Amino acid sequence: QPVLTQSSSASASLGSSVELTCTLSSGHTSHIIAWHQQQPGKAPRYLMNVEYSGSYNRGSGVPDRFSGSSSGADRYLTISNVQSEDEADYYCETWDRNLVIFGGGTKVTVL
Amino acid sequence: HLQLQESGPGLLKPSEILSLTCSVSGDSLSRGSYYWGWVRQPPGKGLEWIGSVYRSGDTFYNPSLRSRVSISVDTSKNQFSLKLTSVTAADTAVYFCASRLSSTYIPDSWGQGTLVTVSS
Repeated sequence: QPVLTQSSSASASLGSSVELTCTLSSGHTSHIIAWHQQQPGKAPRYLMNVEYSGSYNRGSGVPDRFSGSSSGADRYLTISNVQSEDEADYYCETWDRNLVIFGGGTKVTVL
Repeated sequence: HLQLQESGPGLLKPSEILSLTCSVSGDSLSRGSYYWGWVRQPPGKGLEWIGSVYRSGDTFYNPSLRSRVSISVDTSKNQFSLKLTSVTAADTAVYFCASRLSSTYIPDSWGQGTLVTVSS
């Protein structure tokens, strides 16, 4: 089954951009992934899905400051014009034969 | 827009059965538009998928929990449920119910979560 690898932490200054990476394990590099945001003390929120092609689709109500892209085994989440409310944990997720796998999450700190 | 709400006991003793229900509004479970599932998060840790169910009753479970978990759907009440047997302190977590589109398996909505603590 796929394994998803994420950096444990990232930081960005207010108004800047930050790119988060989710890397798919060998043999699963064409999988679609989803990104979720979890603000402190809250439930996760679905942000978008990102395909191998780089095509992405944001969930309902997700600001267009959030975008996705892809390169090989890597799927990216870019947050532009970072706001204080973007300080959160970000998880990627994929699925395979009805199994669901989460990455370990990246904690984003807004400076 | 879907709304999901978890309910169930917040405190269990070791070896007891964890039983949670997720009430769904905004769609009828009988329509088959979604898979319904459970995810948990131990305190200070990441997300762990528990399993999913379709309106037909077809289920898919995390292999690490398969021997102890059961997920079912009640279309008459527009609810789905989780049962986890023989709980230990390691099962202490916030439990979230969630939905994913049945056509693509892409995630959709999350419940707000409920904390279940296992302690003697």
